[in-house]
Amino acid sequence: ILNVEQSPQSLHVQEGDSTNFTCSFPSSNFYALHWYRWETAKSPEALFVMTLNGDEKKKGRISATLNTKEGYSYLYIKGSQPEDSATYLCALGDMRFGAGTRLTVKP
Amino acid sequence: NAGVTQTPKFQVLKTGQSMTLQCAQDMNHEYMSWYRQDPGMGLRLIHYSVGAGITDQGEVPNGYNVSRSTTEDFPLRLLSAAPSQTSVYFCASSLLAGATKQFFGPGTRLTVL
Repeated sequence: ILNVEQSPQSLHVQEGDSTNFTCSFPSSNFYALHWYRWETAKSPEALFVMTLNGDEKKKGRISATLNTKEGYSYLYIKGSQPEDSATYLCALGDMRFGAGTRLTVKP
Repeated sequence: NAGVTQTPKFQVLKTGQSMTLQCAQDMNHEYMSWYRQDPGMGLRLIHYSVGAGITDQGEVPNGYNVSRSTTEDFPLRLLSAAPSQTSVYFCASSLLAGATKQFFGPGTRLTVL
C-alpha cells in the first residue's frame, strides 16, 4: 500500500447498530496515525492519535485499535446514534490523509 | 482561546488575481499547515511549518507561497489564481509535527472564475 486507504467509502446503519471501518497504510517508516471526525459544514475534529503497535484508544462509544506491523487501524462505534453521522478520516503522521468513510446513522 | 482562526470565510477571485488567506492560532503551537479539500480527494497538504522561520512543501505546493514570521501566523498566498485552485482551504496547527492532535480552522471557500 503506497497511500492511506479507507474502507468502506460509505456506510449506512440503523440507530443502535455497532459499526467499524478500516484504515490501511504503508507499514514502513510508521510513527503516528490520526483519526478525525468531520461533520458536514464543519472542520475536522481530532479523535485519536496512536503511535504504538497494539495501541487502543477510547472516547465514549468510539474506540480505535492499531496494528503497525500489518499496516491497519480499526475505528469502532458502539450503539451508533444519528449524531455520529459524519465522515471519519485517518491520516499518517506525515499528514497523508485517506479519503474517509462517510457514516450515516438512520433514526 | 480562539483556537485556529481563518479569514476570509468565502472569496471569489478572477483568474490571474492574487490574494492571501490568513491563518492564526493562539495555542503556542509550533506546527502549522495548510490543506485543500477537493471532492473525492480528501485533504491534501499544501505547505507546512515546524516553527517560526521554517516552511516546507507538502503534496500540492505549486501556485502557493507561505511564510512563518511569527509562531501565531501562517498566511497562504495565491500568486496568480487559476480555476484549478477552486477549493476549500483549511489551516491547522498542533503542538508538534506528526504525533500530537491537530486542530483545524473553520476553512475558507475559494472560487476562481
